[in-house]
Amino acid sequence: NAGVTQTPKFRILKIGQSMTLQCTQDMNHNYMYWYRQDPGMGLKLIYYSVGAGITDKGEVPNGYNVSRSTTEDFPLRLELAAPSQTSVYFCASSYPGTDNSPLHFGNGTRLTVT
Amino acid sequence: GENVEQHPSTLSVQEGDSAVIKCTYSDSASNYFPWYKQELGKGPQLIIDIRSNVGEKKDQRIAVTLNKTAKHFSLHITETQPEDSAVYFCAAPDTGGFKTIFGAGTRLFVKA
Repeated sequence: NAGVTQTPKFRILKIGQSMTLQCTQDMNHNYMYWYRQDPGMGLKLIYYSVGAGITDKGEVPNGYNVSRSTTEDFPLRLELAAPSQTSVYFCASSYPGTDNSPLHFGNGTRLTVT
Repeated sequence: GENVEQHPSTLSVQEGDSAVIKCTYSDSASNYFPWYKQELGKGPQLIIDIRSNVGEKKDQRIAVTLNKTAKHFSLHITETQPEDSAVYFCAAPDTGGFKTIFGAGTRLFVKA
């Protein structure tokens, strides 16, 4: 199993450009998440999905969009990049159990908007 | 919703000493408490977790304790080694269990 795979690893965007951060998992997990981590800070939830076709907002969704057409893929879209979106983005997945279950993280995409 | 507070934000210990990181949570219905370790340039990885039906769990040099009455849980690392240097996050599920709320993280330095 490759686990959770994120691409690209690094990206530099100009203000106003758009891009899609890719995330795929091969563990057949129903739940998937996008977090952002600013320097020296914790993890903030952007969007999450509990299954194909179902998405919901997290703590900091403004400026982002997501889709979940398959169990494996959960892309994050930035439409009009802003400097405030400079961050490291982590995708994660989990298998829903009756008493919660741990998150499996990818290795992140480091995004700089200038 | 759930709120998780983590202390300290930075911890420096000598190799071989113990390290303790503490977290408090607000939702008394929370029943699952994982700890993650994040090494430089990587995503967080689960190192240990505890469920609300036990008070302590140990895995080699790592242990987690849970006090449900006081709503706090702690990570204990004994005989620290330089490779333990990393950022550690505690977490707890938000109401409904769909989301995980993280503490702000503790940067642990182990000096050789």
